[in-house]
Amino acid sequence: EIVMTQSPATLSVSPGERATLSCRASQSVRNNLAWYQQKPGQAPRLLIYGAATRAAGLSARFSGSGSETEFTLSISSLQSEDFAVYFCQQYNIWPITFGQGTRLEIK
Amino acid sequence: DVQLLESGGTLVQPGGSLRISCVASGFTFDSQPMSWVRQAPGKGLQWVSAISHNGGTTYYGDSVKGRFTISRDNSKNTLYLHMDSLRVEDTAVYYCAKHCRGGSCFTDWGQGTLITVSS
Repeated sequence: EIVMTQSPATLSVSPGERATLSCRASQSVRNNLAWYQQKPGQAPRLLIYGAATRAAGLSARFSGSGSETEFTLSISSLQSEDFAVYFCQQYNIWPITFGQGTRLEIK
Repeated sequence: DVQLLESGGTLVQPGGSLRISCVASGFTFDSQPMSWVRQAPGKGLQWVSAISHNGGTTYYGDSVKGRFTISRDNSKNTLYLHMDSLRVEDTAVYYCAKHCRGGSCFTDWGQGTLITVSS
């Protein structure tokens, strides 16, 4: 199976600044990569699919990039509601696999 | 609006069986593939199983293959997960999730149902 590795495990950033989260695949997933946000006690929420396409209604502060094995989620002008856990997911090959998550915390 | 409502989670003994359900509304259920994704307490997300729009094709993660069975009843807009030979490590919140159009990402998720496997 494809192993998804996210870094860092925890990222501390001040409100108003930019956060950059990374996700690496153990083999190429082309652009079949999604990002999710999860807040405590809530289900995950789709942010990005196709590596770079924002989900409906998502703020333009969120952007995804990358292809093959290296992907990035960037969040600009961090707001209080952005502090959460973020997961990447590959859906290029079965089984579907997720990264272990990056916790974005307030610095 | 899309709504996914899981039910059936409970405490079950190791080796036991359980079926959980997910009732869908707000979209054309019989045209969408669906999945189950689980999350152990304090842990990350683990995809469990997927089913095609008409139920003709199913996929399973290695950790549940041979023990879990995914199915759907499109006349009832309902997705199921039947679980046999449950293990302590199956303890998790189980989410049903609607696939994206054209790919197996997940546009919508239910609120989850908790299964605890313990003696």
